[in-house]
Amino acid sequence: EVQVVESGGGLVQPGGSLRLSCAASGLTFNTYWMSWVRQAPGKGLEWVAHINQGGSEKYYVDSVKGRFTISRDNAGNSLYLQMNSLRAEDTAVYYCATGFAYHDHWGQGTLVTVSS
Amino acid sequence: EIVLTPSPATLSLSPGERATLSCRASQSISTSLAWYQQKPGQAPRLLIYDASSRPTGIPARFSGSGSGTDFTLTISSLEPEDFAVYYCQHRSTWPPTRWTFGQGTKVEIK
Repeated sequence: EVQVVESGGGLVQPGGSLRLSCAASGLTFNTYWMSWVRQAPGKGLEWVAHINQGGSEKYYVDSVKGRFTISRDNAGNSLYLQMNSLRAEDTAVYYCATGFAYHDHWGQGTLVTVSS
Repeated sequence: EIVLTPSPATLSLSPGERATLSCRASQSISTSLAWYQQKPGQAPRLLIYDASSRPTGIPARFSGSGSGTDFTLTISSLEPEDFAVYYCQHRSTWPPTRWTFGQGTKVEIK
């Protein structure tokens, strides 16, 4: 059974940094594209970033380019999202998901709150 | 940039009724569309991919159709657990590469 578990969320002040982690099991991690998708309170889903199997291709939504960095550790079956220069509008539940064109396995999410 | 527009925003139906949800793309996307279900406090779940394919474990009452710009998710007979929010999603192959979600349709109990 595929399991995806996010961690690292919390309360951070505007302008601060946070690093999210995602641990995946039950799949051959290094054969999957991985992504981060977020959901602001009471709002819809927003794709944030994607990374290919080897980590050489990375894509970001315009609103986080230059501030967020997606990365992965295939030896440790882990995905990361380094978030810098955080803004109030980055407040959301952040989900880790597997898949290239579609997101077929999701974690339960980790809440990031940006507030002073 | 491709925009996905779902309709209606809210659908009020009773258990046992048929639900028809639509998603319109701002330009042709062939059959490159997925549908997700999300219940309160839960992660989204993939229901349909490639417009009409169901992943293993998704009940047969969920079906998808469409191509080009107009897509439909049909729930043939609503079960109590089907009342949720449904999102359509597309991966654009045109530069810039991006993944886009529609705003969602809420299916609520009438």
